[in-house]
Amino acid sequence: DTGVSQDPRHKITKRGQNVTFRCDPISEHNRLYWYRQTLGQGPEFLTYFQNEAQLEKSRLLSDRFSAERPKGSFSTLEIQRTEQGDSAMYLCASSQRLSGYSTDTQYFGPGTRLTVL
Amino acid sequence: AQKVTQAQTEISVVEKEDVTLDCVYETRDTTYYLFWYKQPPSGELVFLIRRNSFDEQNEISGRYSWNFQKSTSSFNFTITASQVVDSAVYFCALSEPLQGAQKLVFGQGTRLTINP
Repeated sequence: DTGVSQDPRHKITKRGQNVTFRCDPISEHNRLYWYRQTLGQGPEFLTYFQNEAQLEKSRLLSDRFSAERPKGSFSTLEIQRTEQGDSAMYLCASSQRLSGYSTDTQYFGPGTRLTVL
Repeated sequence: AQKVTQAQTEISVVEKEDVTLDCVYETRDTTYYLFWYKQPPSGELVFLIRRNSFDEQNEISGRYSWNFQKSTSSFNFTITASQVVDSAVYFCALSEPLQGAQKLVFGQGTRLTINP
């Protein structure tokens, strides 16, 4: 059984550089979520995909952030012109919509820890 | 908006002691879901339990048990006979509706340290 995977696990970059993270969800999961977690805090929702459609974006997601999920499989999260405030753990989760249920359980990947110098 | 409060920032106990992690939530929704996740040092959030708002039965899974009380908006988590491997940060989360789905609103977490 393959869980959610994320790559890279760690990324160190200089302020102003662009970075891209990848998330591979559990196979056959049609929902994919991105969260951000800063030190000592709980994760905060960033964005959500149902298949390839991005259906919701948090106001935390500034215009320097963009996320895609081509063909409804893996997803990428890109941050342009990184700032020191972007330093955080970026978590990806996936879930499978089940008929008869109004919600489903999100399974998380190991995260990508971003450090902006 | 949904809100989750985990007032205990850190808890430290000796192995084999019982420990309870508190979670208090706020919501205006009549239907909602509550979750607990464990985050070990490796960083991955591990799903522990999901409970819907219509089911107030307590749940027990091995050494873990959960007490859901709508009257006090609480969803507390108890570990019985704690072990060193239980050391982690534990998060309580509440569902909030999205377009066709739900996002999770997390508390700040409780760092649990079990000392040998």
